[in-house]
Amino acid sequence: GAGVSQSPSNKVTEKGKDVELRCDPISGHTALYWYRQSLGQGLEFLIYFQGNSAPDKSGLPSDRFSAERTGESVSTLTIQRTQQEDSAVYLCASSLVAGGTQETQYFGPGTRLLVL
Amino acid sequence: AQSVAQPEDQVNVAEGNPLTVKCTYSVSGNPYLFWYVQYPNRGLQFLLKYITGDNLVKGSYGFEAEFNKSQTSFHLKKPSALVSDSALYFCAVRASRLTGGGNKLTFGTGTQLKVEL
Repeated sequence: GAGVSQSPSNKVTEKGKDVELRCDPISGHTALYWYRQSLGQGLEFLIYFQGNSAPDKSGLPSDRFSAERTGESVSTLTIQRTQQEDSAVYLCASSLVAGGTQETQYFGPGTRLLVL
Repeated sequence: AQSVAQPEDQVNVAEGNPLTVKCTYSVSGNPYLFWYVQYPNRGLQFLLKYITGDNLVKGSYGFEAEFNKSQTSFHLKKPSALVSDSALYFCAVRASRLTGGGNKLTFGTGTQLKVEL
């Protein structure tokens, strides 16, 4: 079946502009995660959604970052007033069961963001 | 706090030889351990996981990993390497639900595996 999809695959923007990154999880997966992969910081957790529960935002680096998820489907990660240090690959993952012993997170191909 | 260490930035091995990619972890309570592989300009691809049970876990593409609780290690292994195994490998840990560690994965810094003819 279809895996996690993300769009756009690449995004180039100017410093100070806002960007929106989209993630379509695997159908039926209740949990959705955003991670960031950068040269300096490696792979770091950003935010996690599980059903209708309040999201875990503990990994968001600043208040310029926010994310939304509609039900158990699409999620959008928004970065306002982008800075050059925001340049990274943003990865989305989804899992069928959150937090259980059977949970496995499956990742999308990522969005490569470059802030000029 | 949970953490993962991958002490080798790069591992070189000849095709046909066995390979090992090292990983050690730190987490409260019982660990959930994962290995992912990343090919150039691609996302992370799940290889295998340890949750409980047998310490030797078998995964995709002939890979396996051995959980060692006393050494807090979860090394990735393959008996016979292929050139196509060349990629970036990440070890990750998550705390079990009972310890309240949340559901996020904490990743190591990655190990570049290079398999040569």
